[in-house]
Amino acid sequence: GAGVSQSPSNKVTEKGKDVELRCDPISGHTALYWYRQSLGQGLEFLIYFQGNSAPDKSGLPSDRFSAERTGGSVSTLTIQRTQQEDSAVYLCASSLNGGQNRQYFGAGTRLSVL
Amino acid sequence: GQQVMQIPQYQHVQEGEDFTTYCNSSTTLSNIQWYKQRPGGHPVFLIQLVKSGEVKKQKRLTFQFGEAKKNSSLHITATQTTDVGTYFCAGHPRGGSGTYKYIFGTGTRLKVLA
Repeated sequence: GAGVSQSPSNKVTEKGKDVELRCDPISGHTALYWYRQSLGQGLEFLIYFQGNSAPDKSGLPSDRFSAERTGGSVSTLTIQRTQQEDSAVYLCASSLNGGQNRQYFGAGTRLSVL
Repeated sequence: GQQVMQIPQYQHVQEGEDFTTYCNSSTTLSNIQWYKQRPGGHPVFLIQLVKSGEVKKQKRLTFQFGEAKKNSSLHITATQTTDVGTYFCAGHPRGGSGTYKYIFGTGTRLKVLA
């Protein structure tokens, strides 16, 4: 595709349920980032994938959060036992090969936990 | 931990006035990127600065990277209503863990009054 694609665009779930958020990066981009943005706030780094290297998971807020990247392309962010404080927009970005390359962002998934 | 602060948090200007946002990192950066996020949109890359003391211009926008590579600024001359949005800086800490994790600033939300 022409840009970074995220799905779903909106997700409403009940507290305690698990959710999966998907990110399709730009073809050929080896670096992929997940960020979380609460209403009116900045971007909070969650996790970074670069090629076949071990991901940088240092931003994941708790062990309820995990992410995978299969085949070096599509990534899934999973939140288990969702809590109300998990409500936010989850943004995915990709870049050509990480490093000093610009990041291209998807439109995000707006997660609402009731 | 590593932090990137931006000031001001909010700025309202009359159309035609100038605007400046400042970005300050708690650690030395290897490079810094600037992004603009329109209301309801996702961050879009504006520019990257790499060298100490670097200055780059894009039409009415001027970007600076401090000599110590710990601060940066974005100046907009003669603001227009199309400049409305939130401006974020994003820094990669020098000597980091080896991954290209970016720390985003807290953002400056700009409103331009016609």
